[in-house]
Amino acid sequence: QVQLQESGPGLVKPSQTLSLTCTVSGASITSADFYWSWIRQSPGKGLEWIGYINHSGNTYYNPSLKSRVNISRDVSKSQVSLKLSSVTAADTAVFYCARVDLVTTIAFDVWGQGTMVTVSS
Amino acid sequence: SYGLTQPPSVSVSPGQTARITCSGDALPKQYAYWYQQKSGQAPVVVIYKDNERPSGIPERFSGSSSGTTVALTISGVQAEDEAVYYCQSTDDSETSRVVFGGGTKLTVL
Repeated sequence: QVQLQESGPGLVKPSQTLSLTCTVSGASITSADFYWSWIRQSPGKGLEWIGYINHSGNTYYNPSLKSRVNISRDVSKSQVSLKLSSVTAADTAVFYCARVDLVTTIAFDVWGQGTMVTVSS
Repeated sequence: SYGLTQPPSVSVSPGQTARITCSGDALPKQYAYWYQQKSGQAPVVVIYKDNERPSGIPERFSGSSSGTTVALTISGVQAEDEAVYYCQSTDDSETSRVVFGGGTKLTVL
């Protein structure tokens, strides 16, 4: 059973860098069958795709966030990480890690429970 | 920038049929996906590639596509179907940016 678990600080100060980790179990982050993605949801709002990383470590970002986002991975720990720089209150959100199944659905088929990050001084 | 448009809300009585639409210029060329998000939970995919249903999703959920509009239909709505539903697709640029609709709150009266 594939599980994704997000972790990281729940509070970040304005202008600082938000850093989150997604630990993947039950699937390989080096498999060509999947992308690993970050998606966020501001309080009471909709979903916004941040970006994803593929089996080779190549990344694809939302153009609206590209200048501030970095997604990386640690294969030895089966982790995918997100860094979002120069945060403001507008970056306050629940951040989800999600898997894209490239073989069957090509959908975000497995999601983590999400982690709430508040940007405040 | 490219966007997907959904109605903010749809209300139906139990046993009736709910239809939620999603419009976007690239939908004739790109697949659409539908996600159900219940309060306090992560989204769950209920329809992929316009009209396919993942295993474990009830048969009352179906998807359709016509031109620049796709639709999620829930036949015989049950109280447990009350949730926010999001459509998702990609734009048709080189970057294949993932986009979500604004979400539709389904209320079961």
